[in-house]
Amino acid sequence: GAGVSQSPSNKVTEKGKDVELRCDPISGHTALYWYRQSLGQGLEFLIYFQGNSAPDKSGLPSDRFSAERTGGSVSTLTIQRTQQEDSAVYLCASSLKPAGGLTDTQYFGPGTRLTVL
Amino acid sequence: GENVEQHPSTLSVQEGDSAVIKCTYSDSASNYFPWYKQELGKRPQLIIDIRSNVGEKKDQRIAVTLNKTAKHFSLHITETQPEDSAVYFCAASFGDYKLSFGAGTTVTVRA
Repeated sequence: GAGVSQSPSNKVTEKGKDVELRCDPISGHTALYWYRQSLGQGLEFLIYFQGNSAPDKSGLPSDRFSAERTGGSVSTLTIQRTQQEDSAVYLCASSLKPAGGLTDTQYFGPGTRLTVL
Repeated sequence: GENVEQHPSTLSVQEGDSAVIKCTYSDSASNYFPWYKQELGKRPQLIIDIRSNVGEKKDQRIAVTLNKTAKHFSLHITETQPEDSAVYFCAASFGDYKLSFGAGTTVTVRA
């Protein structure tokens, strides 16, 4: 079946502009994650959605970052007033609802490469 | 939160030799340890994972070992091939749904 998709694949913007990044998870996956991957670095957790529960926003680096998930499927990550340090690859992942006490496999999208000039 | 250390950061091996990457984690409650392979410009792909109720798991040329007492786990790739060249990330679960990732190991297989 179709995997996780993200759009756009690349985004170049000017400092101070707002950007929106989109993620389409695998159909039937209720858990959705956003990560940030800076050049040569590991994956930094940003936010987690599970069904209709309140999202875990503990990884968002500042109040310029926000995300929503409509209808329990598509998610949008918004970065307001972008800064050069926001330049990175933003990855989305989805998984089946984690069983109690067991973390489930996360499947990643191809990412959006954001460049802030 | 969970802290995952990964070593080495780069690894160069001769084709046909073995490659070993080691990770340590801090949260004794971690129970799920996946490994991801990321080729240049591509998405991370799960290659193998292990849960805390087993000590070793193997899939063809790839194996993962887990030592819960010492809080470390390792990825072993045998008979390396050029297509094994990539960045490999380990991860450990914390809480019910989060993963904390290592910083990655860039593996280069020399022909």
